Amino acid sequence: DARVTQTPRHKVTEMGQEVTMRCQPILGHNTVFWYRQTMMQGLELLAYFRNRAPLDDSGMPKDRFSAEMPDATLATLKIQPSEPRDSAVYFCASGLVLAGGPGNEQFFGPGTRLTVL
Amino acid sequence: TQLLEQSPQFLSIQEGENLTVYCNSSSVFSSLQWYRQEPGEGPVLLVTVVTGGEVKKLKRLTFQFGDARKDSSLHITAAQPGDTGLYLCAGGDTGRRALTFGSGTRLQVQP
Repeated sequence: DARVTQTPRHKVTEMGQEVTMRCQPILGHNTVFWYRQTMMQGLELLAYFRNRAPLDDSGMPKDRFSAEMPDATLATLKIQPSEPRDSAVYFCASGLVLAGGPGNEQFFGPGTRLTVL
Repeated sequence: TQLLEQSPQFLSIQEGENLTVYCNSSSVFSSLQWYRQEPGEGPVLLVTVVTGGEVKKLKRLTFQFGDARKDSSLHITAAQPGDTGLYLCAGGDTGRRALTFGSGTRLQVQP
C-alpha cells in the first residue's frame, strides 16, 4: 500500500555535525511538508513544497536548515551544523492539493528521531 | 498567526467511559481535520470536516465542526484501550494551503 517513507528512523550525532534526513512521498502527491515535533512545542511546520517548488519555509531556521526536492520522489532536510536544541522527531508528510479542494489531507511518514549530543 | 488550542491536554480514563476533546481558535478555517498519533509513528488522519455545523461519525467517534468554523470537538463513546494516543486537530486555510496543528490531547484508556 502507498505510504510515505523516511530514512533514517533514528539518528544520534554530535553537535556540529551535518544531518540529512530523507523522505519519499506517496507517488502522485504534489505537496510535501516537513514538520518537527517536540514535547514542548508540539508539531511545527518547517517548510513545504508544491510540485517540487518551495512555497513556505518561514518555520525553518535558515542559517542552519535547508530543505530541497531534487526530484518528485525525494525530499531532503539538512541541518548543518546541528545543535542539541535540534533534537526532535522530524516528520515528512505528503498530500494531493487541488485548486478549490475542500481540505489538505496529509499522509505522514513514521518520522526520524534525531538526538544531537 | 492562526492558533488552535486543544483541551484537555491530558486525559486518563477507564475503559467504557465517554470523553470529549475540544479544539478552539479565534480564526476561521476552511476545513478541520483530526489525527491520531501512536508512539513511534506519524499522525494518521481520522476525518476531515469542511462545512460549519457538520457532524461526522466514525464508529464510536463523533466529530463536529462549529457553525462558525472556528472550533471542533471529538467525542468518543465507550472508550477502549485501543483509543489510546495523541489526538491532534488541524485547521486548513485555503490561502496558505498548509495546516495549522493544535497542541494535542494525550489520551490514556485504562483497561
